[in-house]
Amino acid sequence: NAGVTQTPKFQVLKTGQSMTLQCAQDMNHNSMYWYRQDPGMGLRLIYYSASEGTTDKGEVPNGYNVSRLNKREFSLRLESAAPSQTSVYFCASTDWPGKNTGELFFGEGSRLTVL
Amino acid sequence: TQLLEQSPQFLSIQEGENLTVYCNSSSVFSSLQWYRQEPGEGPVLLVTVVTGGEVKKLKRLTFQFGDARKDSSLHITAAQPGDTGLYLCAGAATYKYIFGTGTRLKVLA
Repeated sequence: NAGVTQTPKFQVLKTGQSMTLQCAQDMNHNSMYWYRQDPGMGLRLIYYSASEGTTDKGEVPNGYNVSRLNKREFSLRLESAAPSQTSVYFCASTDWPGKNTGELFFGEGSRLTVL
Repeated sequence: TQLLEQSPQFLSIQEGENLTVYCNSSSVFSSLQWYRQEPGEGPVLLVTVVTGGEVKKLKRLTFQFGDARKDSSLHITAAQPGDTGLYLCAGAATYKYIFGTGTRLKVLA
């Protein structure tokens, strides 16, 4: 019972490098989300995809791009990483408004360090 | 911009004490959720409240949604060390989930 799977779990980058965080869910959810969480803080919404084929900006989209590849997969790309993007990134999915009252199911997180 | 402010930010209490965490916003949400997060893991849903004035109980936890659907509170009775964690409120509005700033609770045995 995989749920939401994120890869990689850990990554160290140098300033200016690019990388893509991958997220896949096996619950047939329509909506998917990318959040970042800085130490001791709440989660901030980067981008979300309400349904396959659509993406929208969240609270902190600058420096990021996303792709909703299909219903299962939602990737987050950092084109030119900066130290301010050091954070833990969480992918989540739900079926809005759904039978499950919109519960967000989260992956285990991807810890990114930019030097 | 929708913002959710939680208070207090940190709370350290003795086992058996009661506590209340508040989640406030100037925006109206269609529903409000409370999550709990353990170190190294993603948040896990505790409860969803939908109707203004709604009260839900989950064992020793009581959740309330404000009448105007802009604020919520979480009350824990007789806290236990197992309640230790990061508590997050989240407001839902048209596909978006905005999270609060978080309350880190530590319950000492």
